[in-house]
Amino acid sequence: AQSVTQPDARVTVSEGASLQLRCKYSSSVTPYLFWYVQYPRQGLQLLLKYYSGDPVVQGVNGFEAEFSKSNSSFHLRKASVHWSDSAVYFCALITGNTRKLIFGLGTTLQVQP
Amino acid sequence: NAGVIQTPRHKVTGKGQEATLWCEPISGHSAVFWYRQTIVQGLEFLTYFRNQAPIDDSGMPKERFSAQMPNQSHSTLKIQSTQPQDSAVYLCASSADYYAEQFFGPGTRLTVL
Repeated sequence: AQSVTQPDARVTVSEGASLQLRCKYSSSVTPYLFWYVQYPRQGLQLLLKYYSGDPVVQGVNGFEAEFSKSNSSFHLRKASVHWSDSAVYFCALITGNTRKLIFGLGTTLQVQP
Repeated sequence: NAGVIQTPRHKVTGKGQEATLWCEPISGHSAVFWYRQTIVQGLEFLTYFRNQAPIDDSGMPKERFSAQMPNQSHSTLKIQSTQPQDSAVYLCASSADYYAEQFFGPGTRLTVL
């Protein structure tokens, strides 16, 4: 069965610092991978997606992620965080013929001034 | 583009009452998905439709839960005889075609007293 693990439930960084949020997946086939962000009392917004090709994908607001098949990982990065980046970040995957997203439990990011 | 619309945003029911949640997908999108979000379980897939036909309901509880898509402009999730454990945020998403990214609505927060 497929699964997504986000090992860090909460990450705190200072404004202007760099960021990495970790995501590990388990799948018998190479999945499609996604990062979503959820701001308080809002739905999920797509940050970026990986289907194939260049393992480094660019997303909105300066976010990028790197796919690693050998490590079964899809870590999210940002060079310099802003206080408005404080939110919950979810890693997710889709495999095979199903279109249902399988989510990790999320990482809460708190950016301190 | 108004995005995915979900109504109501908040619903409070008494134990044993029925709850109907509505979702209006983005115009032109052919696939509609329902997910449930709780603190304990995180984001869980419930069911999805493609071109109004039910495709996968593997995440739906076997009893009391049902979903329909009577036309391309809306879908409903009905919970009969609601129980406190049904309390959650129910998220609807739509996508333009079978392989496209999913766009989420703001969710309906259901509270069962």
